[in-house]
Amino acid sequence: KAGVTQTPRYLIKTRGQQVTLSCSPISGHRSVSWYQQTPGQGLQFLFEYFSETQRNKGNFPGRFSGRQFSNSRSEMNVSTLELGDSALYLCASSSSGGSSYNEQFFGPGTRLTVL
Amino acid sequence: AQSVTQLGSHVSVSEGALVLLRCNYSSSVPPYLFWYVQYPNQGLQLLLKYTSAATLVKGINGFEAEFKKSETSFHLTKPSAHMSDAAEYFCAVGPGGSYIPTFGRGTSLIVHP
Repeated sequence: KAGVTQTPRYLIKTRGQQVTLSCSPISGHRSVSWYQQTPGQGLQFLFEYFSETQRNKGNFPGRFSGRQFSNSRSEMNVSTLELGDSALYLCASSSSGGSSYNEQFFGPGTRLTVL
Repeated sequence: AQSVTQLGSHVSVSEGALVLLRCNYSSSVPPYLFWYVQYPNQGLQLLLKYTSAATLVKGINGFEAEFKKSETSFHLTKPSAHMSDAAEYFCAVGPGGSYIPTFGRGTSLIVHP
C-alpha cells in the first residue's frame, strides 16, 4: 500500500498571502488529521476530517481551514499568512471510525516558510 | 480528558548504552498508547502501540515499552543504542472521547559515538 503523500514538500510564501496544502491518505483510510509542528510549540493538532466532515478541531484561528473530498483526499488552507505560521505541516490518516480506534500514519510533511 | 508527559526534552546516551525514554499519561478511560519516531525532515513513524493486550509491547528497531497501570507509565527502552536511533520520539495516548490521540512534547534522543 502506498503511504500518506503530501504536496508540496516545501513552500515559501510572504506575509499576507494564502496557501493550500494537499494530503492523500492511505487507500481505505477515511480519517485525515492535520498537525502543525514548530520547535517552540511541538506538535499541535489543527483539525480532523472523517467522511468529508470536520469531526475534531484544535485551537487555531479561523485563518486555518480544511476540507476533505469524497475520495478522502484533504486540503488545508491558511489565509493571510503570518511569520508565525512558518512550520512543518503534517498530515496523518487513520482507519478509525465507528467504534474502532487505530494508530495514525503520517506523511512526510510540508515545510512552509513565511517571509 | 487525557494528557501525556514526556520527562526530558533531550536524552543523551553513548552508542551501545541502554536507552530509556519516559512517558506518563493521564486518561479517564482505558488507554491506547503509542510511541512514534521522527527522523529529521520526515513525518512520524509508529514504533509500537499498546491496546490492552500484553503489557510488554515489542516494536520495530529493537524498541519495546511496558505498560504499567499503577504508575500510569509507558516508558520506551532499547538495550543497546545505535547511532541511527538519534531522532525525536513522541509518546501519544488515546482515545479520550475523540479519535485523535494526545501527543507529548517529544524527547530528542542524542547518541554519542
